[in-house]
Amino acid sequence: KNQVEQSPQSLIILEGKNCTLQCNYTVSPFSNLRWYKQDTGRGPVSLTIMTFSENTKSNGRYTATLDADTKQSSLHITASQLSDSASYICVVRSQHDYKLSFGAGTTVTVRA
Amino acid sequence: DSGVTQTPKHLITATGQRVTLRCSPRSGDLSVYWYQQSLDQGLQFLIQYYNGEERAKGNILERFSAQQFPDLHSELNLSSLELGDSALYFCASSVEARSFDTGELFFGEGSRLTVL
Repeated sequence: KNQVEQSPQSLIILEGKNCTLQCNYTVSPFSNLRWYKQDTGRGPVSLTIMTFSENTKSNGRYTATLDADTKQSSLHITASQLSDSASYICVVRSQHDYKLSFGAGTTVTVRA
Repeated sequence: DSGVTQTPKHLITATGQRVTLRCSPRSGDLSVYWYQQSLDQGLQFLIQYYNGEERAKGNILERFSAQQFPDLHSELNLSSLELGDSALYFCASSVEARSFDTGELFFGEGSRLTVL
């Protein structure tokens, strides 16, 4: 069973609307959680990193949250733009062996 | 630009053939990862090298092999190719300094392999 589960698998939103992506993990002990954005046919790029002590972090219109107790993270996109259409991947790092566990990603499609 | 260079960008070959994909990591990064991404699928971890040594192995087929050279560039060799091997192959590098490294991966632009 994958240690990182993302939902939904895909979603479609209208330009200007907000959306929230979810990431649940079982990786333990936890080191950090990172959200990557992958444009179609391109390599993923890091958006933000969450460590154990951080609850919320923003990067422009992207806001990530972390609840280390429930092992859940979310990525909120505000006022979506066409350029936000991409796959968003949650990656969790183990503190034990520094192994990275990847979620399957959420594909976001923003329509005009 | 992530600083990770992958060649070739595109490759078309026939079943049964063998290909080599090349990756140059970011300057100073000791660790190289290889991932496979089939159409509309997530990234599947294949293998990781650290400073020339194999560190971790994922779902890598026996027909596939990789190595990291003294100059830290890496090559992924795919042999006896099958139609199902058609995919994007990504290389990523990281500092992998453990104590202070946050584990960020820097990905190349990928090599798109098409097996006909």
